[in-house]
Parts: sequence; structure tokens; C-alpha cells
Amino acid sequence: GAVVSQHPSRVICKSGTSVKIECRSLDFQATTMFWYRQFPKQSLMLMATSNEGSKATYEQGVEKDKFLINHASLTLSTLTVTSAHPEDSSFYICSARGYQGEDSPLHFGNGTRLTVT
Amino acid sequence: GENVEQHPSTLSVQEGDSAVIKCTYSDSASNYFPWYKQELGKRPQLIIDIRSNVGEKKDQRIAVTLNKTAKHFSLHITETQPEDSAVYFCAANDRAGTASKLTFGTGTRLQVTL
Repeated sequence: GAVVSQHPSRVICKSGTSVKIECRSLDFQATTMFWYRQFPKQSLMLMATSNEGSKATYEQGVEKDKFLINHASLTLSTLTVTSAHPEDSSFYICSARGYQGEDSPLHFGNGTRLTVT
Repeated sequence: GENVEQHPSTLSVQEGDSAVIKCTYSDSASNYFPWYKQELGKRPQLIIDIRSNVGEKKDQRIAVTLNKTAKHFSLHITETQPEDSAVYFCAANDRAGTASKLTFGTGTRLQVTL
């Protein structure tokens, strides 16, 4: 149980274009999902908390107008990287909990490797 | 918010030896501490977790200890095998705000040599 699916796994786009990444909870409902970014050989840095039916909560230093998050249903959250630049190239991973207990593990999607040329 | 520090950043052990990774956290309100294993280019996978109401948990060759007073927790891997080679991340839940989120350590690259 608690499977999180993320698409696409890889995407290459040109500078200035936008890219949408989808994160789905396949066998459970997730009112909250989390988006992380990971640069090579570095840790997972939380970008934002995606809340179903309301605005996302962004971490300090993350531009909400650049990284648009939509959590329109209990099983789907999307991250759109707008006007992508080469410095946005990274590994983006979404995650969700199997249930709402704060002391429960996060289950991660497979991640999306974004390359901006 | 929560701050998690992790040491060492790299660790090389011989097959069959034990490996220990240590983490400290800053927020005494944190009550959940998972450990994740990440292989190159793949998603982090939960390998073990511990809650603040216990001091130790074991699952076959893997164990985790928690010292709430000192605010540190450790991962112990015994009888290491080459397939244990990966990056390991500790984490602690940050309970400030409306949704409890996980703050990760900086990672430990474990290399098990033959």
C-alpha cells in the first residue's frame, strides 16, 4: 500500500518554457503532499507543502510564482516550473503520507529529472 | 523550524563490518525519526523509523537508537553487504505549522567494500 506515482520521470525542456510534473497517490487519499528538490549529491530540500483544496505553503526562498502547485483532488498534486532556466535543472520528488498521522512515514514518488537547456 | 545534522558524510566499511551513522536534531517537539536509503537516481526508500516513545528499534541487520535528552539518533547496520552501498538520510518531523513535514539530514554515502 501507500504507492505514490510521479510523471514524467525525465524531461528536457528549453529555457523559458514551462514544465508540469504530476504526483498521484494510487491507493490512498492524501490531503497533504510534499514537493522536494534534490541537487546532485545533496540532500532533499522541501520546496512546498501541497494542500488539497487550498493554497500551497512554500518554504522560505522558494518562489511561489515560479513553482506553481495545484492540489485539486485527494489523489493528485501538480508542480509546474514556469519559465524554466538552466539553474532549475534538478531532481524533483513528491511525497505523501499513507494517513494523516504526523508520526508516519513519507512515501516518495520516483522523481522527475528536469534538464533545462 | 527543525534543523537536522548528519555525520559522517561518507563512510567506507569492509563487508561484514558494522556501520554507524549519527544525526542530531534541534526541536525537542519532534517525535518521529525515519531513515531512508537512496540509490543513485532512485527514490528514497524508508528502511526503519522510530518514534519518541521508544529508545531503540531493530529490524534484522538494521537498528536505530534515540536519545531524546541529547536530541540525537543513530542508525546501525551490522554485517554489512555490498548491496547496502547507497546514500542514507536521517530525518525528523517538523511539527511547527499546520502540516507536520520532514526535515532531512545532509546524507551519508556508505560504501561497502569486498
